[in-house]
Formats: sequence, C-alpha cells, structure tokens
Amino acid sequence: DIVMTQSPLSLPVTPGEPASISCRSSQSLLHSNGFNDLDWYVQKPGQSPQLLIYFGSNRASGVPDRFSGSGSGTDFTLEISRVEAEDVGIYYCMQSIGVPVTFGQGTRLEIK
Amino acid sequence: EVQIVQSGGGLVQPGGSLRLSCAASGFSLSNYWMNWVRQAPGKGLEWVANMGPDGNEKYYVASVKGRFTISRDAAKNSLFLQMNNLRGEDTAMYYCGRYNVGSSGEERGFHYWGQGTLVTVSS
Repeated sequence: DIVMTQSPLSLPVTPGEPASISCRSSQSLLHSNGFNDLDWYVQKPGQSPQLLIYFGSNRASGVPDRFSGSGSGTDFTLEISRVEAEDVGIYYCMQSIGVPVTFGQGTRLEIK
Repeated sequence: EVQIVQSGGGLVQPGGSLRLSCAASGFSLSNYWMNWVRQAPGKGLEWVANMGPDGNEKYYVASVKGRFTISRDAAKNSLFLQMNNLRGEDTAMYYCGRYNVGSSGEERGFHYWGQGTLVTVSS
C-alpha cells in the first residue's frame, strides 16, 4: 500500500498569515500521462470532505484562489496564502494512483 | 442537481451484519467510480471499497475483504455496502462518494459525497 505522510499534524495560524502543509508518498504518484494522482481535501467540522486540489496542483471549481497545490512524484505541498477563519478544518492529501486509495493522517488547521 | 443521500447504519453487535445504502440523483452510477470511505471516531479518512462504472470492477481495503460487499441497483440508481461479521474496529461514520477520474473534461476527484451514516459495533 502507498503510505501518505503529512506534516505538520497540527497547524495554528493567525488570520491573514500564510499556511503550508506537506504531503509525502512512499511511491511516486506521477502517472504515465504526466499528471500526479494526488488530491487535497478539507473536512470542516461536522461536514463531509470537500475537494480543494486535484492532479496535485489544479484548483477545483469554486475553491478560492488563496489555495494552491504544488509538487510532483513523492513530495507535495498545499499552501494557503492568507488564512481566513472559515479555513478551519482538517486537511487531507489522498493518492489514487494505486489500490487501495490512501489518505494522509490529516492536518488540523486552527485559528490562533 | 447532483445529490447523494445515505441511509442504513446504526448499532449492531460484534459478528452482526448491516447494509448501507446510497441513493444517487442527478447522475447515473454507471458513469462513475463510486466509493465508500469511513472515518472512525476522532480519526482520519479511510477508503473502504469502490466499484467501477461497468459494475464489474470492485476493490476493497484489505481489512474488509471477505466481509464487506459493494453492489448497486441500476434501476434504483443506488449503491450498497453489505457489511458482515462486523468488528469493533468497523465503528465509523461511513461516506458514499462519487469519484471523477478526470476524463471527458471533468475535474478529477471526489466532488460529491453523501451526508454520512454512523455504524456502531458494540455489545
């Protein structure tokens, strides 16, 4: 199974400040088609997960442009340029290049 | 409008069985990979099983193989998860999710989820 490792696991951030979450995979997520099979999701309190980023760096429709994803192969990063109060939640990376699909442990973003 | 409405779940004793349902509207299950993802209390997300558009491809996480079965009813446009021989570690919120593979110009990823249904395995 592909192991997804996120850091940090807890991320206190002051509103207006940037935030960054790292995700590393135990195997390359770079598909032969040139895309990385890596998504980012956020799960806000009491809600189902929501898609933020797909293919490692493509922002999903409706996602604010303060969210961005980067990386390739085994190292990926989710960045929030200016954190807002509504960004509170648990952020997960997920790989879909292999079966089983696997998620990172989650990073809890909280407002200072 | 795309909607996924879940039902089933509840309290069951260890060794018991339960069937979860996921009714889809606004799209056909036969056009997408449909998945079950669970979240144990206070824990992270764990993918459980999925079924391909043609209904023939089915995959499971190792911990549920031989105990859980994913299926669908095309006429009702509904997805199911039959869970047998349940264990305490199966206690979780179970989510049904539609996954776009990113072909035909669609964005890849889990774009639509059900509201979740709680399964508690306890004596």
